[in-house]
Amino acid sequence: GESVGLHLPTLSVQEGDNSIINCAYSNSASDYFIWYKQESGKGPQFIIDIRSNMDKRQGQRVTVLLNKTVKHLSLQIAATQPGDSAVYFCAENRDTGRRALTFGSGTRLQVQP
Amino acid sequence: EPEVTQTPSHQVTQMGQEVILRCVPISNHLYFYWYRQILGQKVEFLVSFYNNEISEKSEIFDDQFSVERPDGSNFTLKIRSTKLEDSAMYFCASGGQGAHYGYTFGSGTRLTVV
Repeated sequence: GESVGLHLPTLSVQEGDNSIINCAYSNSASDYFIWYKQESGKGPQFIIDIRSNMDKRQGQRVTVLLNKTVKHLSLQIAATQPGDSAVYFCAENRDTGRRALTFGSGTRLQVQP
Repeated sequence: EPEVTQTPSHQVTQMGQEVILRCVPISNHLYFYWYRQILGQKVEFLVSFYNNEISEKSEIFDDQFSVERPDGSNFTLKIRSTKLEDSAMYFCASGGQGAHYGYTFGSGTRLTVV
C-alpha cells in the first residue's frame, strides 16, 4: 500500500562528518515534504521542507533533495554535531488542500564524538 | 520563539475513564492539530481544526475522541472512555495561514492507560 518509509532505522556517524538520511515515498501525487527532528521527550521539530516542483532546497547546514523519478527524499546534514543526535522523520502531504501529514518510520542519528 | 504548550506532560488514567489533554497553540495561528505516537512507532495524524470546526480526521479519530476550542487560547482533545491501546504520546500542533503545511508541535502529553 501507499507509505512513507525510511531505509535505515539507525545511522551512526562521526562528529564533523556529513550525514545523509533517506526516505522513500510511494504516492506520486504528494506535493509537499517535510523533515522533522525529534529529540527524546520532545515533539517533532521542523527542519526543512520542499515542494514537489523543486529538486533541492538548502537551509543552514541542511539540504533536502527530492528525486521524483524514483520517489526518493533525502536529508543531508553537513558537519554533523552531537546536538544533531535525534530521530529524523520525513513527512508528506498527500492531498493538495488537505493539511494532514503522513509520517515515515524515523531514522535514529547517533553522532559519535 | 513562540511555542505550543501542552499540559499535563504525563497523565495516568484507568481504563474506561475520560481524559482531557490540553494545548495552548501559538497565538496568531489558525490551524490546530492533534497527532499521536505510540511508543516506538510513527507519528500518526488524528484531527485538524480550523474556523471552529473539524476540517480533517483520520480513521483513528472515532466517536471516543472529540476536540474543542473552548476559548481564544486553548485547544483540547477529549477521550471519553480510554482503552489500553490509547496509551501514547499525544502531540498538539498549530500552523499559521500560508502556503506551506509545516507547523509547530508541542512537547506532547504522555498518556498511560492502566
